[in-house]
Amino acid sequence: QKEVEQNSGPLSVPEGAIASLNCTYSDRGSQSFFWYRQYSGKSPELIMFIYSNGDKEDGRFTAQLNKASQYVSLLIRDSQPSDSATYLCAVANAGNNRKLIWGLGTSLAVNP
Amino acid sequence: NAGVTQTPKFQVLKTGQSMTLQCAQDMNHNSMYWYRQDPGMGLRLIYYSASEGTTDKGEVPNGYNVSRLNKREFSLRLESAAPSQTSVYFCASRRDGGSYGYTFGSGTRLTVV
Repeated sequence: QKEVEQNSGPLSVPEGAIASLNCTYSDRGSQSFFWYRQYSGKSPELIMFIYSNGDKEDGRFTAQLNKASQYVSLLIRDSQPSDSATYLCAVANAGNNRKLIWGLGTSLAVNP
Repeated sequence: NAGVTQTPKFQVLKTGQSMTLQCAQDMNHNSMYWYRQDPGMGLRLIYYSASEGTTDKGEVPNGYNVSRLNKREFSLRLESAAPSQTSVYFCASRRDGGSYGYTFGSGTRLTVV
């Protein structure tokens, strides 16, 4: 069982809708959670970080963390075609927060 | 404001050839990383360096060597390239502390024929 799991997608949403991306992790001691966006042929870029239970909002992006259920999600409001990318979830374990554990990513397509 | 700079961006090697991928960061980060990314496999850690003078193996170190030349530079060497090493390679760096993510370089697309 992979330590960080994401649905590979593709997740297809119409422009203006809310896109919901989910990630589950296996290590209960995980402390920090990151969402990266990766456009095709480009490198990953950090878009959100969360470490406390609950919601964290940054513009159109909201990260949600539920440590009891061991999942973290990313909501993208008012989705735009420019949001079409692969979204990677990464988790820092308690034992070694220098190394992130990566999910395989969810491909998101926002249709005009 | 360069961030993480990787060279070269593209490379084609013949089986058995050697090469070094260069990486430099200007953010004064202690930790640096080398990943490879393959379709369906995600990002896999090859080696990392928590500080100048230290290096540690990641998930897939076989066939690679690294050097942390100084705080800024972290190079990855393929001594005898194999077709299985065809991949996209990313260098990344990170500021110490649990709340900081990685900053990635633009990547090197390597093909071994």
